[in-house]
Amino acid sequence: QVQLQESGPGLVKPSGTLSLTCAVSGGSISSNNWWSWVRQPPGRGLEWIGEIFHSGSTNYNPSLKSRVTTSVDKSKNQFSLKLSSVTAADTAVYYCVRLNYGFDVWGQGTTVTVSS
Amino acid sequence: DIVMTQSPDSLAVSLGERATISCKSSQSVLYSSNNKNYLGWYQQKPGQPPKLLIYWASTRESGVPDRFSGSGSGTDFTLTISSLQAEDVAIYYCQQYFTTPYTFGQGTRLEI
Repeated sequence: QVQLQESGPGLVKPSGTLSLTCAVSGGSISSNNWWSWVRQPPGRGLEWIGEIFHSGSTNYNPSLKSRVTTSVDKSKNQFSLKLSSVTAADTAVYYCVRLNYGFDVWGQGTTVTVSS
Repeated sequence: DIVMTQSPDSLAVSLGERATISCKSSQSVLYSSNNKNYLGWYQQKPGQPPKLLIYWASTRESGVPDRFSGSGSGTDFTLTISSLQAEDVAIYYCQQYFTTPYTFGQGTRLEI
């Protein structure tokens, strides 16, 4: 059974870059699935950030596209997110997710706070 | 972007009673070539990630109790909990995965 685990700094300074990694276990990142990032600001709803396929193909939310980069490391069976020029509005729980028939596998989420 | 609108925003239902949540999309999420609606329903409890309950608008995910059901097609969808249990208290989201950017409804808070 596929499991996902996010990791990365919990605190990022304003104007800095948020960097997170999602480790995939119990399955291969090279399977026929897209791998997404979703975030949830405190007390608010869910926002899709972007997705990546093992080939390196990507799709991003236009609202964040100018600041988002995703990548895949097949040797480590993981994928990553970088979000640049962060502000307090980027404070959220960040989830990595597998798209299968819907978002069927979610990581536990990692809280990222943007503050000086 | 496809806008997903849920109603109501919050709902209080007695134990054992039926709960119904509506979700409307601003464009159809029905893919004509396979006749599938790219619509999912998720349950989120405090401190937990969302959990997929229903996919293809009406297919129950493995392990989800059969009191949960989904219906609808095109732009109008419904999640029904036939007999509310205490453990069903949560926020419920619909989501379209028909096209990027994938979008979620604002959520419906279900209480007893």
